[in-house]
Amino acid sequence: KQEVTQIPAALSVPEGENLVLNCSFTDSAIYNLQWFRQDPGKGLTSLLLIQSSQREQTSGRLNASLDKSSGRSTLYIAASQPGDSATYLCAVRPKGTYKYIFGTGTRLKVLA
Amino acid sequence: GAVVSQHPSRVICKSGTSVKIECRSLDFQATTMFWYRQFPKKSLMLMATSNEGSKATYEQGVEKDKFLINHASLTLSTLTVTSAHPEDSSFYICSARDPTGSQETQYFGPGTRLLVL
Repeated sequence: KQEVTQIPAALSVPEGENLVLNCSFTDSAIYNLQWFRQDPGKGLTSLLLIQSSQREQTSGRLNASLDKSSGRSTLYIAASQPGDSATYLCAVRPKGTYKYIFGTGTRLKVLA
Repeated sequence: GAVVSQHPSRVICKSGTSVKIECRSLDFQATTMFWYRQFPKKSLMLMATSNEGSKATYEQGVEKDKFLINHASLTLSTLTVTSAHPEDSSFYICSARDPTGSQETQYFGPGTRLLVL
C-alpha cells in the first residue's frame, strides 16, 4: 500500500532563505508526482508535476526533483518570501490508476 | 481561470439532513472524477472514484450508503452526504481528469467546506 510522508511537518524561516521540503513514498511504481500549495481554507494550486521518467522540474523560484528508485522527492524554494507561506503537499499517482495519494503536508511560514 | 468548479463553496446544515455538493468540469469532458476529504490540518484522503455512467468505486472504509456519488454527465459529479452528522464536517475537494492531450491532466476544484451542527 502506497504511503506518502513529508518532512518536516512545519517549518518557519526568515525571509530570503533557501529551503527544501522533503517527500518520501513507499512504492516506486508511480506514474507521476505532483507538488501542490494550499492556502488556509482554500483549494489546491498545482506547482510542479514530475513524470516518472523525469528527474526534475523547475518553475520560477521552485525546483522539484524526483528519485523514483529511492522513493524521494524534494521541493526547493529559492529566496523565500512571506507570500510563500502556505501548506505544501506532495502527491503521487500510482501506476495503473488515475487517483493521487497525498502526503501529510508541510506547513511553511516565511517571516518578514 | 478555474477549469473545475464546486458548488457550494461552503454549507452549514443541521444534523440529520442531507447535503449535495457539485463538481463541474468547465472546459473539458471528464470521464473520471475523484472525491477527497480533508480534516482540519490534515492531508487529503481519497474517498471515491466517480466514473461517468457507472457506479463509483469507494476506498476502503468509506461508507457508500453515507456518501452517495452520481456522475450523470461528462461534466458533472455530485457527492451527497446523507443523514449528516457533526463528524462529517470537513473540507471536500473534487478533481477531474482531462484525458485529452499528450499528457493527461487532473484539475482540482476549490473545495467545499461542510459544517454540520
